[in-house]
Amino acid sequence: AQSVTQLGSHVSVSEGALVLLRCNYSSSVPPYLFWYVQYPNQGLQLLLKYTTGATLVKGINGFEAEFKKSETSFHLTKPSAHMSDAAEYFCAVSGPQGAQKLVFGQGTRLTINP
Amino acid sequence: DTAVSQTPKYLVTQMGNDKSIKCEQNLGHDTMYWYKQDSKKFLKIMFSYNNKELIINETVPNRFSPKSPDKAHLNLHINSLELGDSAVYFCASSLRDLGTEAFFGQGTRLTVV
Repeated sequence: AQSVTQLGSHVSVSEGALVLLRCNYSSSVPPYLFWYVQYPNQGLQLLLKYTTGATLVKGINGFEAEFKKSETSFHLTKPSAHMSDAAEYFCAVSGPQGAQKLVFGQGTRLTINP
Repeated sequence: DTAVSQTPKYLVTQMGNDKSIKCEQNLGHDTMYWYKQDSKKFLKIMFSYNNKELIINETVPNRFSPKSPDKAHLNLHINSLELGDSAVYFCASSLRDLGTEAFFGQGTRLTVV
């Protein structure tokens, strides 16, 4: 079985500060890992994903994440927060090809202070 | 053009009623999903279809019945609605290999009163 734990249901940073959203996963098979963002009253949009290869992945809007197998982590970072980054962020895991579903963490609400 | 579209966006109904939510994708994907997001924002898969074949049914009550007339459509019918069914329901689609991106619809906010 696969699972995801996001540390911190709510993270608040100042505009221009570093954003760090934490995600740890559990998987008995090599994982595919994803970060999705959800703006209010909208669907989920993919920020970035890790499947194989380079462990540091870059996504949209200046976000990046690093897959660390030894730590079973896939933390999301952005060097400088912008007001428009305020949203709910979800980390998700799936198995390799044919796994058919995403297992989501509980989400982290990111608030940006002016 | 909207990639994954759901209708309706909002649905308010009384307990005991039957309602349907429709979903269509124009991405040429072969796999479609229904996810439920509860009041605490937790997202959980309900069903997955691949080429009209049910792949995943995650211990969802029998009152929920998905139907996939073709691989571009996945509808969700709910019988005898209960208060606990109130949630946001998301449709999504992808290619079978989930290493590719899953695209989500805008969601249907169902409120049972």
